[in-house]
Amino acid sequence: AQSVTQPDIHITVSEGASLELRCNYSYGATPYLFWYVQSPGQGLQLLLKYFSGDTLVQGIKGFEAEFKRSQSSFNLRKPSVHWSDAAEYFCAVGAMEYGNKLVFGAGTILRVKS
Amino acid sequence: DVKVTQSSRYLVKRTGEKVFLECVQDMDHENMFWYRQDPGLGLRLIYFSYDVKMKEKGDIPEGYSVSREKKERFSLILESASTNQTSMYLCASSLPEVHGYTFGSGTRLTVV
Repeated sequence: AQSVTQPDIHITVSEGASLELRCNYSYGATPYLFWYVQSPGQGLQLLLKYFSGDTLVQGIKGFEAEFKRSQSSFNLRKPSVHWSDAAEYFCAVGAMEYGNKLVFGAGTILRVKS
Repeated sequence: DVKVTQSSRYLVKRTGEKVFLECVQDMDHENMFWYRQDPGLGLRLIYFSYDVKMKEKGDIPEGYSVSREKKERFSLILESASTNQTSMYLCASSLPEVHGYTFGSGTRLTVV
């Protein structure tokens, strides 16, 4: 079965500093990987996704993520965080063998201090 | 530009009531999903549907049922609401392949 681990429940970063949110997955074959962001009281918005090819993927709002098969990781990064990035971030994994169901991590809450 | 619409943002119901949560999408997506979101647990799949009148149980279907009579609408039903069903409920839709989901804004349900 697929599983997703986001080791950090909360992260606090100063505005302008770099950010890395960790995501590890457990799955035998090549997964499809996603990062979503949720602002308070809102639904989830897709930031980026990885299916195949270049292991560094670019997303919206200046985010990027790198797929590392050897580490079963798909970490999200941003070089310079803005106060508006404060939100909850979810990593998710899917696979054709499991239909179109996604499994989500527990989420990481990002706080940005000025 | 709203694509997945959940009928209520906030809902307060009494224990034992039958509760309907409605979700409508205008993207002609085949797949629709209901998740519940709880702090520290992330999103957990309740039910999903690959097509009209088709439904499959997710990871936590107990106490819930669903209805999909039309392609664009997917309803979640709490047959007899209980306090442990107080949660944020998220509806999502997608194309048949693994493309990722489009989510609604969520319904925060409180059962008292």
